[in-house]
Amino acid sequence: DQQVKQNSPSLSVQEGRISILNCDYTNSMFDYFLWYKKYPAEGPTFLISISSIKDKNEDGRFTVFLNKSAKHLSLHIVPSQPGDSAVYFCAANKNSGGSNYKLTFGKGTLLTVNP
Amino acid sequence: NAGVMQNPRHLVRRRGQEARLRCSPMKGHSHVYWYRQLPEEGLKFMVYLQKENIIDESGMPKERFSAEFPKEGPSILRIQQVVRGDSAAYFCASSPTPTGNGGSPLHFGNGTRLTVT
Repeated sequence: DQQVKQNSPSLSVQEGRISILNCDYTNSMFDYFLWYKKYPAEGPTFLISISSIKDKNEDGRFTVFLNKSAKHLSLHIVPSQPGDSAVYFCAANKNSGGSNYKLTFGKGTLLTVNP
Repeated sequence: NAGVMQNPRHLVRRRGQEARLRCSPMKGHSHVYWYRQLPEEGLKFMVYLQKENIIDESGMPKERFSAEFPKEGPSILRIQQVVRGDSAAYFCASSPTPTGNGGSPLHFGNGTRLTVT
């Protein structure tokens, strides 16, 4: 029972273009969402997050959009750079209720940015 | 990311042996979390510990797995009588306070890759 789904295992884009990574969730109790970036043989690195009270959060080249009615979020990277090539994990949790360390991760999307 | 130290980076064990994975949290962090990533899966929560206390072990398999975070020294994830299905990457994360109100996103170490032959 996958509560966080990243349906695209991989994505390839040209340097300078926009990368859009998608994530869907099924648990309506989730109220906090995070994106992590992972290089091979390293641990996940926190990238950006969004609370369910917002529909957009921006940090430099990275923007996360949340559509609560569709239970969908997306990560936009613009402009994409070769160094962005990595696996991107979408994660969610129930921020309220005291178990906000218990992240539920998707399976990840491998982003390749071609020079 | 480099602040959370995990060792060994790679561990090979034969079926039936014991595996011990170590995690030293970032300086000043007293909350430790273990996650497991099976091949081609996302990370899954296993256990949350504070110094000398297990706070939440709801993600731990019921048998063969145990975790501790002693007053002195690193946190240890111990797997007894390993089986091939235990082959995975085990990640440790830490935080200075419980991850509350959306703050303090988890900082992960580089993981231990366990291979059971």
